[in-house]
Amino acid sequence: GAVVSQHPSRVICKSGTSVKIECRSLDFQATTMFWYRQFPKQSLMLMATSNEGSKATYEQGVEKDKFLINHASLTLSTLTVTSAHPEDSSFYICSALSGQGAAGELFFGEGSRLTVL
Amino acid sequence: LAKTTQPISMDSYEGQEVNITCSHNNIATNDYITWYQQFPSQGPRFIIQGYKTKVTNEVASLFIPADRKSSTLSLPRVSLSDTAVYYCLVGAGYSSASKIIFGSGTRLSIRP
Repeated sequence: GAVVSQHPSRVICKSGTSVKIECRSLDFQATTMFWYRQFPKQSLMLMATSNEGSKATYEQGVEKDKFLINHASLTLSTLTVTSAHPEDSSFYICSALSGQGAAGELFFGEGSRLTVL
Repeated sequence: LAKTTQPISMDSYEGQEVNITCSHNNIATNDYITWYQQFPSQGPRFIIQGYKTKVTNEVASLFIPADRKSSTLSLPRVSLSDTAVYYCLVGAGYSSASKIIFGSGTRLSIRP
């Protein structure tokens, strides 16, 4: 099946620094990617929808200046957590859409665990 | 996407059949039903998708009644490795206009 790769899988950073997480669709082109965050024992929470070549659509309550999303190509979307703080520590997951409509399939990355000290 | 309701948790034993039911009362005519499995510290993994009646693959079966207001994921002869969280999603396929919203999921625990 199709593969979506996230990098890094784990990152530890100091408070105040910025961290970039990459999401790549390895064997298909993804015009749309989704970014989620997940806290322990909780479900995935949609942060934003990323469309190639256009600005991301953020969910209510998600700060667009805090979580910068760039979808510059059909195989790569990046999430940058700017000026990270301990409360940003979480598991971040991306997904990529292959195809459209009823034939569309959604593939998830392995996730990236961010720990802010 | 249609809202879904699942049991928060379920327990079972190795070798048993496990059935997890998902309610989606406001499912639309062109909505599909998709189930995902998630292990700790991993992204969700696709299990099965269906529109109506029954769908079976190598890992699970999906039962959908005629009114499509619910669906049941059936895992035959579970093992310890099936301990995971299972999510039911309902939507009209996926497009750039879709919001892929996850419900609470069902935390399945399998005991020896």
